[in-house]
Amino acid sequence: NAGVTQTPKFQVLKTGQSMTLQCAQDMNHEYMSWYRQDPGMGLRLIHYSVGAGITDQGEVPNGYNVSRSTTEDFPLRLLSAAPSQTSVYFCASSPRSSGNTIYFGEGSWLTVV
Amino acid sequence: GQNIDQPTEMTATEGAIVQINCTYQTSGFNGLFWYQQHAGEAPTFLSYNVLDGLEEKGRFSSFLSRSKGYSYLLLKELQMKDSASYLCALQRGGGGADGLTFGKGTHLIIQP
Repeated sequence: NAGVTQTPKFQVLKTGQSMTLQCAQDMNHEYMSWYRQDPGMGLRLIHYSVGAGITDQGEVPNGYNVSRSTTEDFPLRLLSAAPSQTSVYFCASSPRSSGNTIYFGEGSWLTVV
Repeated sequence: GQNIDQPTEMTATEGAIVQINCTYQTSGFNGLFWYQQHAGEAPTFLSYNVLDGLEEKGRFSSFLSRSKGYSYLLLKELQMKDSASYLCALQRGGGGADGLTFGKGTHLIIQP
């Protein structure tokens, strides 16, 4: 049971480049979400999904796109990276049946230069 | 919206007890989480409060008062490995579907 898997773990991008952070879970969880964590800011919700085909914006969605074509995968896309998107990104999943069971991925460290 | 306040940093002594407070202003929430996060790692679940009162789990306890907009995490018999950041988070509506709103975290330093 792999849990929540994020790739890549580390990435350096140039300003204006695009990339996708991958998130996959093998627990058949309905709910998935993406957070970013910056020094002194805590974790902030970017986008979330309550099931395949359904996504919604969180607190800081600008500059990010998501899709949920399957239950397992919830990729986060940066269309034109900016230095302000330098951060640590965490993906999380939880089952609809138990709201207090939230699993986090190990994080993806992104630097935009 | 939701606003969550925690002290930025606290220092405590190995073997002692420390209480980390969390105050919040919100129009409503499902439950309140406490997470532990070591540097460079993902948050790790510690506790979850839905109802007012105390939840105890080994060396860790968490308390919630909805009427006062207040929670605390109590750590007993402190160990050096407890040096970490502690995150208070509110579970937004939708039965957990809508994600979490986190405080900025409290960096706890344990001294010998």
